[in-house]
Amino acid sequence: SQQGEEDPQALSIQEGENATMNCSYKTSINNLQWYRQNSGRGLVHLILIRSNEREKHSGRLRVTLDTSKKSSSLLITASRAADTASYFCATDTMNRDDKIIFGKGTRLHILP
Amino acid sequence: GAGVSQSPSNKVTEKGKDVELRCDPISGHTALYWYRQSLGQGLEFLIYFQGNSAPDKSGLPSDRFSAERTGGSVSTLTIQRTQQEDSAVYLCASRVTGTMNTEAFFGQGTRLTVV
Repeated sequence: SQQGEEDPQALSIQEGENATMNCSYKTSINNLQWYRQNSGRGLVHLILIRSNEREKHSGRLRVTLDTSKKSSSLLITASRAADTASYFCATDTMNRDDKIIFGKGTRLHILP
Repeated sequence: GAGVSQSPSNKVTEKGKDVELRCDPISGHTALYWYRQSLGQGLEFLIYFQGNSAPDKSGLPSDRFSAERTGGSVSTLTIQRTQQEDSAVYLCASRVTGTMNTEAFFGQGTRLTVV
């Protein structure tokens, strides 16, 4: 079963604009992670935010976490064509002993 | 190896045949995960191995699916009597556990096509 649900399912923006993707989840978590997938193959880890953190930055990425609302957002600033990919949130759930559950993903397309 | 290795990269098989997909995790990673991804969809959890513990098989879709992990390293996912709906990319990931909050490293996947 899916734990995370990303929103929107698809997003197209102009190069240089900021892209925001949201993720909602259902159960208590140890942490929430964001991954990127190019061309439907292996996923690459982007950033991890712990359950006791509210915001985290990594380069052009900013992640927020609101455990009271069970939601997270991923912001990519100053988007580039190379950011075109699918983005997934994944949760480490407290009751499932290190099992990582992924959402359905947001397909991001950066327009030149 | 340097990363998670999966083989084969692509597999085309006839309906009803058995297939074996292999995953070689990063050395020292105690946790190993299998996921399935249908075209344009998210990752569906299949099975999870953690050290010497009994695997979590709660995501396996039917008894045609099985997996093993020998010696705490290489894992094989076996699909018996393949069906067309089994066509998907099968992804393997591994990570260190024992401390919380670690990232998973993914292989490039095996694209399975059942014809």
